[in-house]
Amino acid sequence: EVQLVQSGAEVKKPGESLKISCKGSGYSFTSYWIGWVRQMPGKGLEWMGIIYPGDSDTRYSPSFQGQVTISADKSISTAYLQWSSLKASDTAMYYCARPSMTEVIYDYWGQGTLVTVSS
Amino acid sequence: EIVMTQSPATLSVSPGERATLSCRASQSVSSNLAWYQQKPGQAPRLLIYGASTRATGIPARFSGSGSGTEFTLTISSLQSEDFAVYYCQQYNNWPRNTFGQGTKLEIK
Repeated sequence: EVQLVQSGAEVKKPGESLKISCKGSGYSFTSYWIGWVRQMPGKGLEWMGIIYPGDSDTRYSPSFQGQVTISADKSISTAYLQWSSLKASDTAMYYCARPSMTEVIYDYWGQGTLVTVSS
Repeated sequence: EIVMTQSPATLSVSPGERATLSCRASQSVSSNLAWYQQKPGQAPRLLIYGASTRATGIPARFSGSGSGTEFTLTISSLQSEDFAVYYCQQYNNWPRNTFGQGTKLEIK
């Protein structure tokens, strides 16, 4: 069974750094891209970027380029989303999602990680 | 970047009636269009891909149509569990993709 299990909720202060994770299981982790999607409170889905764990090829949405870093550790089947300096506007639910092998349609999703940034 | 625009923002429909949701792309995405359903407190669920192919386990009352820049999701006879937010997503420029802003389907 394919599963994406994300790390738990985080409460941080502005300016702090953060790295959240998404562990894949039940499939060949290095053979599928993993994407990250932001959902701000009461708002829609925003595609942030995507990584191919097999070779760490990473693409970002222009809106998120330079704002976050996406990485993966294939030895432990885990993808990451990190911030070097959080802002209050980073408060959101963050989902990882796995597309199919041939098309970027997300048929498997993590449960989401809620990040709250507040002073 | 391809921009996806959904309409209306909110749609009020009575159970048993038909709902029609629209999605427009700022440039052609061929048939590389998917629809997702999201209920409160849950991750999105894939409904339709390839503009018109239902994902595994999706009831036949859900159907998608369109190509190029204009797409439609139709729910033929609304059930109580269908009231949710629906998002379209284009995936024409692999592996980049973008979502629409969503349509909230509410009970009339």
